Amino acid sequence: DQQVKQNSPSLSVQEGRISILNCDYTNSMFDYFLWYKKYPAEGPTFLISISSIKDKNEDGRFTVFLNKSAKHLSLHIVPSQPGDSAVYFCAATRTTSGTYKYIFGTGTRLKVLA
Amino acid sequence: NAGVTQTPKFRVLKTGQSMTLLCAQDMNHEYMYWYRQDPGMGLRLIHYSVGEGTTAKGEVPDGYNVSRLKKQNFLLGLESAAPSQTSVYFCASTPPLGEATDTQYFGPGTRLTVL
Repeated sequence: DQQVKQNSPSLSVQEGRISILNCDYTNSMFDYFLWYKKYPAEGPTFLISISSIKDKNEDGRFTVFLNKSAKHLSLHIVPSQPGDSAVYFCAATRTTSGTYKYIFGTGTRLKVLA
Repeated sequence: NAGVTQTPKFRVLKTGQSMTLLCAQDMNHEYMYWYRQDPGMGLRLIHYSVGEGTTAKGEVPDGYNVSRLKKQNFLLGLESAAPSQTSVYFCASTPPLGEATDTQYFGPGTRLTVL
């Protein structure tokens, strides 16, 4: 049972436009959500996160939106740049469990076209 | 400060052989994790550790064993490798409870092929 889902395996966007990556989850106990970026032959790197007490968090060109009622989060990248081309993973955790186990989605490959 | 390092970077095994993957971190992190990444499957948690001397099973623990004898090291063992264990393995670590939960640091990965 996939608790965190990224239904779009790939996405292509023109440089300068907005990239929107989506993520759905099924476990209502998750209270902290993260996005990671991964380049080929490298480990994932943390991008941005959001707590369930918020519905939006911004960091420069990156904004994460959380819709708890829909169990959905999205990552917006504006404006998209060729260097943003990578695989993006969303992840979720239940901080109250004390174990900090992270459940990852299957990833979305973003390609930003110059 | 090297962060999270993994040894080796690449390895080819024959079915039935054994090996150990080493993960080391120099950030004094309490929590350490082993994941595997397969095409279309994302990152799946194999085992994790919440402190020196402790380990716990993740989503896909079968066929693997782990040990955390020292706080800075987390070892992943394959006792009898199978082709289904062909994957890219990532180690990660996070700071202690109470600190930022968004700082999960990953190593560069180990690409393992089992023939």
